[in-house]
Amino acid sequence: DAKTTQPPSMDCAEGRAANLPCNHSTISGNEYVYWYRQIHSQGPQYIIHGLKNNETNEMASLIITEDRKSSTLILPHATLRDTAVYYCIVRRQGGSEKLVFGKGTKLTVNP
Amino acid sequence: NAGVTQTPKFRILKIGQSMTLQCAQDMNHNYMYWYRQDPGMGLKLIYYSVGAGITDKGEVPNGYNVSRSTTEDFPLRLELAAPSQTSVYFCASTALAGGYEQYFGPGTRLTVT
Repeated sequence: DAKTTQPPSMDCAEGRAANLPCNHSTISGNEYVYWYRQIHSQGPQYIIHGLKNNETNEMASLIITEDRKSSTLILPHATLRDTAVYYCIVRRQGGSEKLVFGKGTKLTVNP
Repeated sequence: NAGVTQTPKFRILKIGQSMTLQCAQDMNHNYMYWYRQDPGMGLKLIYYSVGAGITDKGEVPNGYNVSRSTTEDFPLRLELAAPSQTSVYFCASTALAGGYEQYFGPGTRLTVT
C-alpha cells in the first residue's frame, strides 16, 4: 500500500503557482520523497526528490516540513501542459527499492 | 539518446495467445522494471532486474516471465493471455547510482479478448 495521502484532484489557473500537498506521516529516516507525474496516456515522468532539505530544479520546487511528515510540490507558473496526475512516493534510495504508486492528485490547469 | 523505448504501442490478443513486449534503453542503466497500469489506478510492479542475468519478482508477477540477457533489453513475456492482463504496460530503467529516479517508456496498450 502507498504510504502517502494526496487529495484526489486540484485546479489551478494558468500562470499561477500550483501547490500540491502530500502527507507521509509514517516516513522513515532513510526514506526520500519522490514526485512523478503522468500526462494522459504517457509514461510517468520524474519531477524531483528530496530527503529533508527543500529542493529546486528546472521543473519544480519541493518543500518538506521540518518533521518530514508532509511535503508540497510547487509548480511556480503552471501551464496547460502541466495538467496531469501527480504522484508523491516515499522510498529508500536504491535500484531495488520499489516505486509504489497510489492514485495521486489529478491537477487541472485552466486557461 | 532515445531513452526507454517500447514496442509495440498497441496489441490485441485472443485469450490463450502469447506475446512478448519489448523494452530497450540506451542509457547504460543497470536497473530495469516492468509495471502495469489498470484503468484509473496507479502502477504496479511486475518484475525488475538489477543487471544482465538477474531478475526478481515484483507485486504482480503471475502470468508473466522476463529475461535479461543484455544491459539494454528487458523483454516481458505473456504466456496464455487472459482478460485480466488487459492493461497498459510500462517499462522503466534507472542508473546504478545517483537519485535512482526511474525513466519510463511510452507504454504498450494491451487488450485481451
